[in-house]
Amino acid sequence: SQQGEEDPQALSIQEGENATMNCSYKTSINNLQWYRQNSGRGLVHLILIRSNEREKHSGRLRVTLDTSKKSSSLLITASRAADTASYFCATVPFQGAQKLVFGQGTRLTINP
Amino acid sequence: NAGVTQTPKFQVLKTGQSMTLQCAQDMNHEYMSWYRQDPGMGLRLIHYSVGAGITDQGEVPNGYNVSRSTTEDFPLRLLSAAPSQTSVYFCASWQRHSSYNEQFFGPGTRLTVL
Repeated sequence: SQQGEEDPQALSIQEGENATMNCSYKTSINNLQWYRQNSGRGLVHLILIRSNEREKHSGRLRVTLDTSKKSSSLLITASRAADTASYFCATVPFQGAQKLVFGQGTRLTINP
Repeated sequence: NAGVTQTPKFQVLKTGQSMTLQCAQDMNHEYMSWYRQDPGMGLRLIHYSVGAGITDQGEVPNGYNVSRSTTEDFPLRLLSAAPSQTSVYFCASWQRHSSYNEQFFGPGTRLTVL
């Protein structure tokens, strides 16, 4: 069964606005990752946050992790049309685990 | 480096036919995996491999076989295709000794079973 549940399932905003997506998971984790998937393409790794970290930044991306609530959020600031994609969270249950467990994804649309 | 490559990009099968989806990576990654993605859903793990000669089942293995004779290649075989196997299939690879488990994905194979 899938570990993560993402909220919202779809999000539509205007270019320049910030986009926030949330991910909840069920079991303990070693790290949580966010991936982007453009339409008709494979997934691309965006950012990873470890279980002992609370916040991480990469360019216009900001990820937070609350292990007590088993939740994470991905914030994209100053959105661009090119950010239109589906975003997935994926969890790694322990270090060296042999698989990722993906959420269902959030479909983000940036309107020009 | 080409990264992870998959062939074919598109395939249409009739119920009962068999076929092999090809996956290759040139990053010398020990781990490889196959996922399927259905509309409105995330990726579900079919099979994975932690090295040549070693494979294991994922979440949805029924109807699929894999083998790993080399580090580079990880083919996925559909033994007798069913309409329920209509999906987009992704292959991924990653380094065994990475503490990050970041996976690298191929572009996918879109399979339709009639």
